[in-house]
Order: sequence, then structure tokens, then C-alpha cells
Amino acid sequence: GAVVSQHPSRVICKSGTSVKIECRSLDFQATTMFWYRQFPKQSLMLMATSNEGSKATYEQGVEKDKFLINHASLTLSTLTVTSAHPEDSSFYICSARDPLHNEQFFGPGTRLTVL
Amino acid sequence: AQSVTQPDIHITVSEGASLELRCNYSYGATPYLFWYVQSPGQGLQLLLKYFSGDTLVQGIKGFEAEFKRSQSSFNLRKPSVHWSDAAEYFCAVILTGGGNKLTFGTGTQLKVEL
Repeated sequence: GAVVSQHPSRVICKSGTSVKIECRSLDFQATTMFWYRQFPKQSLMLMATSNEGSKATYEQGVEKDKFLINHASLTLSTLTVTSAHPEDSSFYICSARDPLHNEQFFGPGTRLTVL
Repeated sequence: AQSVTQPDIHITVSEGASLELRCNYSYGATPYLFWYVQSPGQGLQLLLKYFSGDTLVQGIKGFEAEFKRSQSSFNLRKPSVHWSDAAEYFCAVILTGGGNKLTFGTGTQLKVEL
């Protein structure tokens, strides 16, 4: 199957700093990417849908000014957690939709810890 | 309320035993149905999916799932579990006309006893 990478895999930062997470589709072009958040022992919750060249669509309750999403190319989407606080600590997962095969492929996730 | 339910949070089976993981959905129309597996350090991997047609779907790693419209269920099965199957399993749906947005169930943690 297709490969989606995320970088970094793990990040620890101080409260108040901003953190950028990258999501790349390595062997296909993804017009649509998705960002999820997963709390320990819980399910994935969709945060936003990212479309290349346009503004992201955020799910209800997700602060767009807190979680900035940029999808500047067909293979890269970034999620920036601005002014991170301990409650933002979580596992962030991206997925990229391969339009040729109509399937979403998931990245391995990024563990964010805010001290 | 519309939802995807996985009634079992944890399941433990012996290696070689059969497995069934339950998934129920609550939507007006039949959604597209998926099963994913999540292993530590790896991204979610698609095991199988159902869009239409034959209600018994074969997937990877020896898994299969059966769609039962009357029960609004899409249970995952495997006749003989291997120790490497220990992982978190998620049922997910995409609503028709839902813009490819996946909605996940709460997950079932599978433990395999040797």
C-alpha cells in the first residue's frame, strides 16, 4: 500500500511554544488530507479536512486559530499547534486520500507532550 | 444519535482460537464500512472494507467481516488468531455523501495469550 510519513514522531515542548507537524504522502498525490487526534485508550477524532490549495475545514469544537493547517502541495500538509498547553498533549495522526484507489492511508502518528 | 459502537473494549483470546470483534452502527442509510488495525509505532492499516455487493468481505491477514443490514452490524472475524494479531482494532464508517470523512468506533484492544 501507499506510504504516509509524519515528522516528528515524538515532540516535547514547553507551554506557550508552537509545534509544527508534517504529513507527507510519499508515493502518491493527495488532494485531501485529514488530521485526527487520539487520546490515550480512546478513538480517533477528526479535527479537520485539508484540501490542497484551499482552506482547511474544521470539525465542530476544533479551534482553527489554535490548530493551523496548511496543505501547500499535493504531497504535504502541516499542522501547527500554536501556543501549546498541557491539555494539547495528545497523539496526532494524519491520513492522506489516494484518489486513484479511493482509499485513505495513515501516517504513524506524532506524540506531542506539552510540559 | 448517529454513531459507531464497538461494545468490547478489551478482548483476550488464546493463540489459535477464533475471534469475533463486534461493530454496530446507527445511521439512517447504510454507510461505507471499514475495519482498521493499529499497532504501536505504526499507522492504522486497512484490513477490509464494504461498500456494496457480497456481504461477506475478505481482507488481509486472514480476516473477514460480514455485513448484516438487519442488525446494523459489521463484525470482524478470524478463524485462528496469531500472537502477532495483538493490537487495537477500529471499526469505521464513511457516510454516503459524507465527503470521505471517517468516523471511528471506540476501538477494541485485542490481547493474545500464548
